[in-house]
Amino acid sequence: QKEVEQNSGPLSVPEGAIASLNCTYSDRGSQSFFWYRQYSGKSPELIMSIYSNGDKEDGRFTAQLNKASQYVSLLIRDSQPSDSATYLCAVNIEGNNRLAFGKGNQVVVIP
Amino acid sequence: EAEVAQSPRYKITEKSQAVAFWCDPISGHATLYWYRQILGQGPELLVQFQDESVVDDSQLPKDRFSAERLKGVDSTLKIQPAELGDSAMYLCASSLRTSSGYTFGSGTRLTVV
Repeated sequence: QKEVEQNSGPLSVPEGAIASLNCTYSDRGSQSFFWYRQYSGKSPELIMSIYSNGDKEDGRFTAQLNKASQYVSLLIRDSQPSDSATYLCAVNIEGNNRLAFGKGNQVVVIP
Repeated sequence: EAEVAQSPRYKITEKSQAVAFWCDPISGHATLYWYRQILGQGPELLVQFQDESVVDDSQLPKDRFSAERLKGVDSTLKIQPAELGDSAMYLCASSLRTSSGYTFGSGTRLTVV
């Protein structure tokens, strides 16, 4: 079982719509969760962190965490063409003090 | 805003040649990571340093890869000899605490021909 799984294929959304991304993780001891945005050919950029169950909002982004279900999600409201990128879910592996990453989900916002 | 410096940005090398990447983390960040990201996949950890000590290099192909952080500041990752399958983005990251996430450098895109 992979440490972090992002199984959805490329997501195409019209401009102004909501993009929804999901991630599951295997380490029940994990306490810190992150979403990174990566533009093509660039390095990952941290956009959201979440540590407690529930929702955390930052501008047009909302992260959701459910530790019982080992599930993290990211919502992008009012999607803009500049949101077109790959979004990586990352989970802190407590025993090893490192981040494990999912394979990423590509989002394409259609004007 | 403080940045993680990496060089070179791009590197093309022939297989069997040696190649080296350099990283200078954010000042004060004791933990430094080297990740490899193959196109279409997520970053995978190669080696983790705490100050000058290696904490985790379990996924580092030690027959051809080496990494050092001699003074606990900047770091070098070397591949010798390079193979076609080493073509990837090599990312350096640093952190104060893993629980607060990493800051990545701009990465080095390696192409082995």
